[in-house]
Amino acid sequence: DGGITQSPKYLFRKEGQNVTLSCEQNLNHDAMYWYRQDPGQGLRLIYYSQIVNDFQKGDIAEGYSVSREKKESFPLTVTSAQKNPTAFYLCASSILGREQYFGPGTRLTVL
Amino acid sequence: GEDVEQSLFLSVREGDSSVINCTYTDSSSTYLYWYKQEPGAGLQLLTYIFSNMDMKQDQRLTVLLNKKDKHLSLRIADTQTGDSAIYFCAVPNTGGFKTIFGAGTRLFVKA
Repeated sequence: DGGITQSPKYLFRKEGQNVTLSCEQNLNHDAMYWYRQDPGQGLRLIYYSQIVNDFQKGDIAEGYSVSREKKESFPLTVTSAQKNPTAFYLCASSILGREQYFGPGTRLTVL
Repeated sequence: GEDVEQSLFLSVREGDSSVINCTYTDSSSTYLYWYKQEPGAGLQLLTYIFSNMDMKQDQRLTVLLNKKDKHLSLRIADTQTGDSAIYFCAVPNTGGFKTIFGAGTRLFVKA
């Protein structure tokens, strides 16, 4: 089955820790995206990548970092510089310029 | 800048029609999208419409596009309790490399 997966489903972070969220797709899509969703709010774009080894900052990139070493993978690191990281994180992929397909999400909670 | 606006809540009775409205500012998109999000899950592509169409019907779903007024709507006929979810309007920006999502309309269906 083709699709996009995220892991873990739930993640807990202590103050001052960096954590990495995984996103993998086997749809052969060039573009991948990370969004943050806060309760009762829409999606805010963190980072996106149109091709391997290249990525751009979205609207709220501060405190986050990404890499795109493989076409299938686009991991997101939430660093200790992100002051309010508790949120639901969504990864998506697409053919350039077309509809995005989303993973099931990772809920990150800071303890 | 680019913006997509939706009303936040809609409540209907089971069996009635639901109409969710969206207005946008960037009118250069080839496609416009509607996504559905159930609690704790990722977004699921519901339907889309080409920018050169006025209407698209897909079973219980009807999408209407008014390009002059930059207005998009989603009509769900015979709304069921299983339709309770958040519905997002999504419009790619100029160039299509990013998609702007509305804040989402939370649909409540009363039995």
